[in-house]
Amino acid sequence: SYVLTQPPSVSVAPGQTARITCGGNNIGSKSVHWYQQKPGQAPVLVVYDDSDRPSGIPERFSGSNSGNTATLTISRVEAGDEADYYCQVWDSSSDHPVFGTGTKVTVL
Amino acid sequence: QVQLVQSGAEVKKPGSSVKVSCKASGGTFSSYAISWVRQAPGQGLEWMGGIIPIFGTANYAQKFQGRVTITTDESTSTAYMELSSLRSEDTAVYYCARGRTADSRSAFDIWGQGTMVTVSS
Repeated sequence: SYVLTQPPSVSVAPGQTARITCGGNNIGSKSVHWYQQKPGQAPVLVVYDDSDRPSGIPERFSGSNSGNTATLTISRVEAGDEADYYCQVWDSSSDHPVFGTGTKVTVL
Repeated sequence: QVQLVQSGAEVKKPGSSVKVSCKASGGTFSSYAISWVRQAPGQGLEWMGGIIPIFGTANYAQKFQGRVTITTDESTSTAYMELSSLRSEDTAVYYCARGRTADSRSAFDIWGQGTMVTVSS
C-alpha cells in the first residue's frame, strides 16, 4: 500500500518558521491533507487539498505539494503550535485513506 | 455546525467484541462519509474503515477485514463500529471522523472526541 514518510520531530524557536515534510511516491499527483493533534485531543484539520485552510485556521498555516514531497509550513510559530502533525492522502489503488507517520513539533 | 459525540470508554476481555457509537448532531448526516480511525498509545493514526450512510456499504482496511463491522442508523444519525476477537494490540483510542464533502476521498474536518478501548484480561 501507499506509504507516507514524515520526520519524527521538528524543533523551532518561537517566531520562526517550521516546515514539516511528507514524502510519498508521486505525491504531487494526490491531494494532501494535514492534521494537528495536541496531547489528549482529537486531530484537527489545518490544511486540506494541498493548500486550503478550513475556516478558523490561521493564515500562518500553509501547504504545498509537488513531486514526491508535500510540505506544511507554520510561519511565526507560537507555543500553542506545539503538537503532532499528520499528513494524509487517498490511496486510489487500495481505495482508502493513508496517514503519514506523524511529526512532533517542539517549540523551543 | 455538525458535532460527533462518541460513546464512553470500554474495558474488554481478550476474544470479546466492542461496539462504539458516534452520534451526529447539528447538520447533515446521510450524505457524508464517516470513517473510523484508531490510535494506539503513543502511536500514529490508522484508518479502519468508512461508510456513506445514504449508500450503506462499508469499505474496510485489509488489516481489519473480517473483524470490523461499520454500520449506521440514519433515523438517529448514528454510526457504529464493532470490532471482534479483541486482543491486547487493539487497545487504543477510536475516533469517528466525517469527510468535508460528499466525496469519500475528502479530508476529515469533523472528529469525535475519541473512545478509549482497553483490552485486558
